[in-house]
Amino acid sequence: QKEVEQNSGPLSVPEGAIASLNCTYSDRGSQSFFWYRQYSGKSPELIMSIYSNGDKEDGRFTAQLNKASQYVSLLIRDSQPSDSATYLCAVNYNFGNEKLTFGTGTRLTIIP
Amino acid sequence: DARVTQTPRHKVTEMGQEVTMRCQPILGHNTVFWYRQTMMQGLELLAYFRNRAPLDDSGMPKDRFSAEMPDATLATLKIQPSEPRDSAVYFCASGFWLAGGWNEQFFGPGTRLTVL
Repeated sequence: QKEVEQNSGPLSVPEGAIASLNCTYSDRGSQSFFWYRQYSGKSPELIMSIYSNGDKEDGRFTAQLNKASQYVSLLIRDSQPSDSATYLCAVNYNFGNEKLTFGTGTRLTIIP
Repeated sequence: DARVTQTPRHKVTEMGQEVTMRCQPILGHNTVFWYRQTMMQGLELLAYFRNRAPLDDSGMPKDRFSAEMPDATLATLKIQPSEPRDSAVYFCASGFWLAGGWNEQFFGPGTRLTVL
């Protein structure tokens, strides 16, 4: 069974610090990787996608992918209280298949 | 600002009643997904469509759930009869898929269903 694992948290980070969120996946054939942010009572919102090994930066967010080690991470620099949310990692296992498998999410709290 | 819309946003019903949830995907998107989210199970894929054709409904209890896409602007998820264990938030998501492309999915606001 294809799995996506995340530490459920809660992860508490002081305001202004770097928040580091990690995700591991079971299938080496995985092709596409996504990070979604979900505020309490709201829907998941896509914040980052990454498809090749290495880093991808977008503003304060950096996604890191290491296919050999089967992990993907999300770094949030200069953390703000508005970053407090649950972060969901999602993996697409088949390049010709639209299905995503989601992790259970990591709850992040930024402490002012 | 293109968005996925869902109706109703909240639904409270009694066990045994029929529930219909509707979704309007983003114009131009060719894939539509139905998910269910609970605290215990997280986000589960129930069914999805590509170009209105159902491709996978293996996540759905088929004896009571049905999903259809009567046209490109409307997807429906029905539960008949509903049971208390169906209480969850149901999300619709849409995306644009090309062969060899990627799979960014955009979520609607969800329907919060409570079955008493």
